[in-house]
Amino acid sequence: KQEVTQIPAALSVPEGENLVLNCSFTDSAIYNLQWFRQDPGKGLTSLLLIQSSQREQTSGRLNASLDKSSGRSTLYIAASQPGDSATYLCAVRNYGQNFVFGPGTRLSVLP
Amino acid sequence: DTAVSQTPKYLVTQMGNDKSIKCEQNLGHDTMYWYKQDSKKFLKIMFSYNNKELIINETVPNRFSPKSPDKAHLNLHINSLELGDSAVYFCASSQVASGSFYEQYFGPGTRLTVT
Repeated sequence: KQEVTQIPAALSVPEGENLVLNCSFTDSAIYNLQWFRQDPGKGLTSLLLIQSSQREQTSGRLNASLDKSSGRSTLYIAASQPGDSATYLCAVRNYGQNFVFGPGTRLSVLP
Repeated sequence: DTAVSQTPKYLVTQMGNDKSIKCEQNLGHDTMYWYKQDSKKFLKIMFSYNNKELIINETVPNRFSPKSPDKAHLNLHINSLELGDSAVYFCASSQVASGSFYEQYFGPGTRLTVT
């Protein structure tokens, strides 16, 4: 059974810092991994999707990497801004199965 | 245009009632999902459905049932509501056809409060 964890649970940084969020999964036979952000009281917004054959994906200031062998993905946010404050969730999908979500990392970027 | 929409946004009801939450997607996706996010913000899948297959998470009580009148809609029916059903329910959709990447798009959520 796939289990997904995220570290840290919460993170507070000053504006302008680069930061890394971590996602770990127990079953490395994944199909893909997706990073989302969730603003308070809102739905989830897709950030990046990485296929099992890929090592990383980039979108603007965001870069997500995938290391299947070690069961890890990282989300790198460059030059953080107060608008980046949200909860970041990673979700992992194994072949023939639905997504399993991690508990999220709550990020606060202080002006 | 809203990609995945849900109604209502808020739903307050009493124990024992039966209620429905509606979901519609205009993305042309072939698979839709329902998730439950509890008070600890943990998101768990309840159902996934396309026109061929319904996959039910074994932890979901049979008081919950998805109904799909067509490919663009997946409604969630809940019978005999209990206090523990209070949560935020999210609908999502993705394309699962050959060559697609299963990227999921989420609705804004429905906050259900059972009193």
